[in-house]
Amino acid sequence: AQSVTQLGSHVSVSEGALVLLRCNYSSSVPPYLFWYVQYPNQGLQLLLKYTSAATLVKGINGFEAEFKKSETSFHLTKPSAHMSDAAEYFCAVSDIGGSQGNLIFGKGTKLSVKP
Amino acid sequence: DSGVTQTPKHLITATGQRVTLRCSPRSGDLSVYWYQQSLDQGLQFLIHYYNGEERAKGNILERFSAQQFPDLHSELNLSSLELGDSALYFCASKTATGNTGELFFGEGSRLTVL
Repeated sequence: AQSVTQLGSHVSVSEGALVLLRCNYSSSVPPYLFWYVQYPNQGLQLLLKYTSAATLVKGINGFEAEFKKSETSFHLTKPSAHMSDAAEYFCAVSDIGGSQGNLIFGKGTKLSVKP
Repeated sequence: DSGVTQTPKHLITATGQRVTLRCSPRSGDLSVYWYQQSLDQGLQFLIHYYNGEERAKGNILERFSAQQFPDLHSELNLSSLELGDSALYFCASKTATGNTGELFFGEGSRLTVL
């Protein structure tokens, strides 16, 4: 069975600083991995996804993530944080063998950006 | 705008009552997924429908049920409500059932049970 673990329920950075949100996965088969963002009172929006093509995946709003099989990780980064990046971020893995397309989500990491 | 529409956005009701949440998927999407988001449990998969047929169940209580209609909209029925059912309920849609495509989420229905 697939699962993801997000390290750190809260991360705080200063505006302009590097953003690093950690996600580790567990999967017995090559995983398909996703990062979603949830702004207050909104639904989840896809930032980027890894589906076994390039290991470095670029997403929207300047975010990117690198798939590292040896570390079973898919950490999300952004070189320079902006105030508008404050939101909750969810890592997810496709439930292969389960519901055909269902995603299994981590607990989420709330990102705060200080001016 | 994801193209997924959920109604109502907010709902306040009492314990023991029954409510229905509605979801209209993106145009052309055949798959509908329901999730529950709560502070203690996070995002939990409830149920998946594809083109009117139930495909999989997740952590869905027996008091809850869902269906997908011929026009592809879906309804999630929650009955004998308890305080612990207070949560944000999301609907998501997807074109096909493959594992690589992303889900498109609605803005959710916030249920408060008093």
